[in-house]
Amino acid sequence: AQSVTQPDIHITVSEGASLELRCNYSYGATPYLFWYVQSPGQGLQLLLKYFSGDTLVQGIKGFEAEFKRSQSSFNLRKPSVHWSDAAEYFCAVGARGFGNEKLTFGTGTRLTIIP
Amino acid sequence: DTAVSQTPKYLVTQMGNDKSIKCEQNLGHDTMYWYKQDSKKFLKIMFSYNNKELIINETVPNRFSPKSPDKAHLNLHINSLELGDSAVYFCASSPGTSGSSSYNEQFFGPGTRLTVL
Repeated sequence: AQSVTQPDIHITVSEGASLELRCNYSYGATPYLFWYVQSPGQGLQLLLKYFSGDTLVQGIKGFEAEFKRSQSSFNLRKPSVHWSDAAEYFCAVGARGFGNEKLTFGTGTRLTIIP
Repeated sequence: DTAVSQTPKYLVTQMGNDKSIKCEQNLGHDTMYWYKQDSKKFLKIMFSYNNKELIINETVPNRFSPKSPDKAHLNLHINSLELGDSAVYFCASSPGTSGSSSYNEQFFGPGTRLTVL
């Protein structure tokens, strides 16, 4: 069964600083990987996804993530954060198998931005 | 223009009551899901339906009964509500489970916050 670990429960960064959120996954086959963002009181919005090909994927809002198979990681990065990036971030792995598509989420990382 | 919508947004009720949450998507997707997010923000899948057929049932108590009248709707009915059912419930949809080699990303609704007193 697949699983996702987000080691950092809460991260605080200054506005304008760079950001890296960690994600490690466990899955027996080629993983399908996602990062979602949840603003307070809101639903989940897809930031980016990795299916195959180029291991560095670009997403919305200036985010990118790099898939590293050797480290089973899919870390999310942003070179310069904005106050509006404060939110909860979820990494997820997708399992595909004849109608059994489901996402397994990590426990999330709460991002706080200080001025 | 809402893609995945849920009603109600908030639901407060007493233990033992029966309640329903509705979900509708206008994306033309074949597959719909229900997820539960607990007080620690942990998200876990409960059910998925593909073209009105149940595909995934993740060891959810049988007090929870999903119903899909058509592929654009997936409702969640909960009987005999318990305190532990308090959570945010998210509906999601994806294009489907065709033979495509790419994984179908899921689009989430805004969530329904259920509080059981």
